[in-house]
Amino acid sequence: QVQLQQWGAGLVKPSETLSLTCAASGGSFTSSSWTWVRQSPGKGLEWIGEISHSAKPDYNPSFLGRVTISISTSTRQFSLRLTSVTAADTGDYFCARLTVFHYMDIWAKGTSVTVSS
Amino acid sequence: EIVLTQSPGTLSLSPGERATLSCRASQSVARNYLAWYQKKRGQAPRLLIYGTSNRASGIPDRFSGSGSETDFMLTISRLEPEDFAEYFCQKYGGSPAVTFGGGTKLEIK
Repeated sequence: QVQLQQWGAGLVKPSETLSLTCAASGGSFTSSSWTWVRQSPGKGLEWIGEISHSAKPDYNPSFLGRVTISISTSTRQFSLRLTSVTAADTGDYFCARLTVFHYMDIWAKGTSVTVSS
Repeated sequence: EIVLTQSPGTLSLSPGERATLSCRASQSVARNYLAWYQKKRGQAPRLLIYGTSNRASGIPDRFSGSGSETDFMLTISRLEPEDFAEYFCQKYGGSPAVTFGGGTKLEIK
């Protein structure tokens, strides 16, 4: 049974970099894809991007140029970096497992990130 | 870009009533690639329905999904107190690869 645990800084200064990491325990890490989703205050869910060990990451064009998702099969972790953050990047960030049909069946609890000086 | 439009934005109902939530796509979405999630404040989203009509593990049978092409629906046959939450549809396909609808907030009347 796969479980996800995520961590990272909850407070980031404007123009700096948001960094979050998600670790998977149980199950197969290399047979799945992994994804990041966020929810800004008062708004809906927004897909940031996805990665697997065997394919290049795929990103939401809204974040292109600022986002990097990386993966480490040895540590069973994947990470999100979002550069040049602004207040608009404040929100709850979630990592999740992405199935072959691209729905998200297992989620971590989320990290609340505030962008503020 | 395929846009998912959910309606209504807010639905006010009482426990025991039937809820019908709509998700309309601006272009056709393959049935395999349409899912529904429940989201409560302070919690991660929870997968309810995948492949348009398949209930995820542990989801009660009062939740059902239907639809095809551009019109999809989530139905909750008899609302329980714990069902009052926000609901999102999600598709895969096109660019961006994954998008969510704007959500329907289901509130107690």
